[in-house]
Amino acid sequence: AQKITQTQPGMFVQEKEAVTLDCTYDTSDPSYGLFWYKQPSSGEMIFLIYQGSYDQQNATEGRYSLNFQKARKSANLVISASQLGDSAMYFCAMRETPYGGATNKLIFGTGTLLAVQP
Amino acid sequence: GAVVSQHPSWVICKSGTSVKIECRSLDFQATTMFWYRQFPKQSLMLMATSNEGSKATYEQGVEKDKFLINHASLTLSTLTVTSAHPEDSSFYICSARDDRDGRRSPLHFGNGTRLTVT
Repeated sequence: AQKITQTQPGMFVQEKEAVTLDCTYDTSDPSYGLFWYKQPSSGEMIFLIYQGSYDQQNATEGRYSLNFQKARKSANLVISASQLGDSAMYFCAMRETPYGGATNKLIFGTGTLLAVQP
Repeated sequence: GAVVSQHPSWVICKSGTSVKIECRSLDFQATTMFWYRQFPKQSLMLMATSNEGSKATYEQGVEKDKFLINHASLTLSTLTVTSAHPEDSSFYICSARDDRDGRRSPLHFGNGTRLTVT
């Protein structure tokens, strides 16, 4: 069974600095996708970045980048130049996509609460 | 971008009554939708996968007679919490997969429904 682990319940970062949010995963399927979502206090889920298991390069989306280390089964999110508006809950999620099968469900980690300090 | 509308955004009901939550994909068709439940400061727990034209697939431990799911059309799924009790109070959030999307695409989330059972 697939599993997502986020070991940091909470993190602090100074405004304009970079921060890394950890995520490790476990799956027996060779084909899978990893997602990061941001959830502000208002509750909506905001998609940030995606990494496919066969992608050769680490994903980047603006200030977000993903440090994907497949052998270690980790997919850490790096936020550069933190802003006050980055304060939120961050969830790592995984979707298994077995060859020839339909897209499967998305399973979430326990989340990391990020607080950006001025 | 793809929009998922979830209604109501919050609801308060008395113990023993039933509550219906709607999840609509506004500008895309969604054969598959997912229902999640989130307790305060916790992760999103997948409750069930809703499939248009067939029965929902429930996760282990989720009572299908308690949480009725109906995927009436390619743009609408409903979750009915039957005979609600205070322990059912939670944040319920739906997500939908655009039928046109590939495996790299994220799920699109509604803004959630905060249910309080008194």
